[in-house]
Amino acid sequence: EDQVTQSPEALRLQEGESSSLNCSYTVSGLRGLFWYRQDPGKGPEFLFTLYSAGEEKEKERLKATLTKKESFLHITAPKPEDSATYLCAVQAAPGGGNKLTFGTGTQLKVEL
Amino acid sequence: GAVVSQHPSRVICKSGTSVKIECRSLDFQATTMFWYRQFPKKSLMLMATSNEGSKATYEQGVEKDKFLINHASLTLSTLTVTSAHPEDSSFYICSARDSRANQPQHFGDGTRLSIL
Repeated sequence: EDQVTQSPEALRLQEGESSSLNCSYTVSGLRGLFWYRQDPGKGPEFLFTLYSAGEEKEKERLKATLTKKESFLHITAPKPEDSATYLCAVQAAPGGGNKLTFGTGTQLKVEL
Repeated sequence: GAVVSQHPSRVICKSGTSVKIECRSLDFQATTMFWYRQFPKKSLMLMATSNEGSKATYEQGVEKDKFLINHASLTLSTLTVTSAHPEDSSFYICSARDSRANQPQHFGDGTRLSIL
């Protein structure tokens, strides 16, 4: 069974204090690993897709990396508007179809 | 970017009522859409995969007669919660995936369902 574990469960940062969120996964074969951002009362917003170990993607203050067992979401010099829950999900292959298995998320709070 | 519209955003109704939720992909075609349920401070739980022109695929433990799914076109899927009871109260979220290869799922903004 595919499993995704995210840590920490919650993270409080000062503005400008860089940090990383972790996503550990167990799948029979990885077709893709996805990062989403979710604001309260809203649906998840797509951030990145990573397909193979060693791959990196960047968007503004966010950078996602992937190894064979885990992914990191690095947040550089965060701002209060980066406060949200960050979700990691995996798509398995073969036979996983387009189904995503989600972790429980990391709730990030960035304070002034 | 890809936009998925979900309607209504909030429903409050009496026990025994059936409730229909719509999910539309606004700027792309989606042969596959997904319905999730999310409990407070919990992850998204996939309920079913909606396939255009064919029957939905339900996850284990999800009652297909309780949660009716219709995917009649490449841009619209509906979820009907039949004879809803208080335990069906939850946050329901849909997603759609562009039919072209290697596209991620894009999510609607969810429907908060409250059954009294």
